[in-house]
Amino acid sequence: KAGVTQTPRYLIKTRGQQVTLSCSPISGHRSVSWYQQTPGQGLQFLFEYFSETQRNKGNFPGRFSGRQFSNSRSEMNVSTLELGDSALYLCASSGTGTGVEAFFGQGTRLTVV
Amino acid sequence: GESVGLHLPTLSVQEGDNSIINCAYSNSASDYFIWYKQESGKGPQFIIDIRSNMDKRQGQRVTVLLNKTVKHLSLQIAATQPGDSAVYFCAESGSARQLTFGSGTQLTVLP
Repeated sequence: KAGVTQTPRYLIKTRGQQVTLSCSPISGHRSVSWYQQTPGQGLQFLFEYFSETQRNKGNFPGRFSGRQFSNSRSEMNVSTLELGDSALYLCASSGTGTGVEAFFGQGTRLTVV
Repeated sequence: GESVGLHLPTLSVQEGDNSIINCAYSNSASDYFIWYKQESGKGPQFIIDIRSNMDKRQGQRVTVLLNKTVKHLSLQIAATQPGDSAVYFCAESGSARQLTFGSGTQLTVLP
């Protein structure tokens, strides 16, 4: 059974640009959550999607957005990148939709220069 | 200004010994508590979870203990192996269906 797949693995962008990250959940999982991991703040919740609907959102500015497609694949977008957006972005899929037994992908390492 | 990294608690144990990793949580309304293991360059890996109405749960070589009175969670790893070296995170999940993570503990297994 394939795990959670995130693409790309690494990304370097310039301040002011925008970026789109992709996540393919485990087959059959309808819940996808996104997290940001930084040395300063640790792991922080961005948002959660279930059946194409955003059900919950963390405390991040509106520059961070996401969406989910009918096949449960999800994308997150960050506009007007700032240096502080440099982080490991992790996607997690869950079959229960409760946030429990969330399985994480390897993440996308975003560096903003 | 320069960012300051989280000060990760560290735990060093001899190979073959038992490890105990502790975590304090804040939300008494959380339904589930979960332990994750994160190796360098990888995403967090689910280890074990426990519902809030339980106080102990065992898995393969791991045991999670929950003390709701003092809002404390612990992960015990039996016969620690070199492959157990990683950062361990506790997380809590409630009605919001999001995981709130602790700051993590760096476990190093010494030969």
